[in-house]
Amino acid sequence: DGGITQSPKYLFRKEGQNVTLSCEQNLNHDAMYWYRQDPGQGLRLIYYSQIVNDFQKGDIAEGYSVSREKKESFPLTVTSAQKNPTAFYLCASSIVGGSYEQYFGPGTRLTVT
Amino acid sequence: GESVGLHLPTLSVQEGDNSIINCAYSNSASDYFIWYKQESGKGPQFIIDIRSNMDKRQGQRVTVLLNKTVKHLSLQIAATQPGDSAVYFCAENSMDSNYQLIWGAGTKLIIKP
Repeated sequence: DGGITQSPKYLFRKEGQNVTLSCEQNLNHDAMYWYRQDPGQGLRLIYYSQIVNDFQKGDIAEGYSVSREKKESFPLTVTSAQKNPTAFYLCASSIVGGSYEQYFGPGTRLTVT
Repeated sequence: GESVGLHLPTLSVQEGDNSIINCAYSNSASDYFIWYKQESGKGPQFIIDIRSNMDKRQGQRVTVLLNKTVKHLSLQIAATQPGDSAVYFCAENSMDSNYQLIWGAGTKLIIKP
């Protein structure tokens, strides 16, 4: 089955530590996205990538970093510079052009104490 | 600037009744609109989409209506079932936004037995 996987589902870290969230897709999509969702809120774009070895900042990129070394993978690092990292993180992918529909992974809930 | 907003943050509907979820957008250049359903703790799932050259599109128990005159989008769910309980997001895409989706705040749909 094709799809997007995110791991782990729940992640706990101490304040001051960097943490990397995994996102893998086997849909052969060129574009991948990272969103942050706070309780009762909508989706805010952190970073996106439309091609390997290239990525762009979204609306709330500060305190986050990404890499896109492979088409299938788009890991997100939450750095210690992120002031309020506790949130639900969603990864998505899409084709470039066409319907613009984004396919989402199951999400990772990060708790930093 | 560009924005997508929702009129009602929470909507309570009797099981079996029809649900109507509304969404306003402000970018007249938007040419694609999409609705997602997000169940608690999960990633958003695609429901239905519509292009700006249409004013109505139907799926299984769902209908999306687009009124470009007043920049309004609605999602109608027929014969609402308990499984329809979720948060519903509208999003828009335009040629101005690098194929990103611009997300609304979401409406929580509650089904009363």
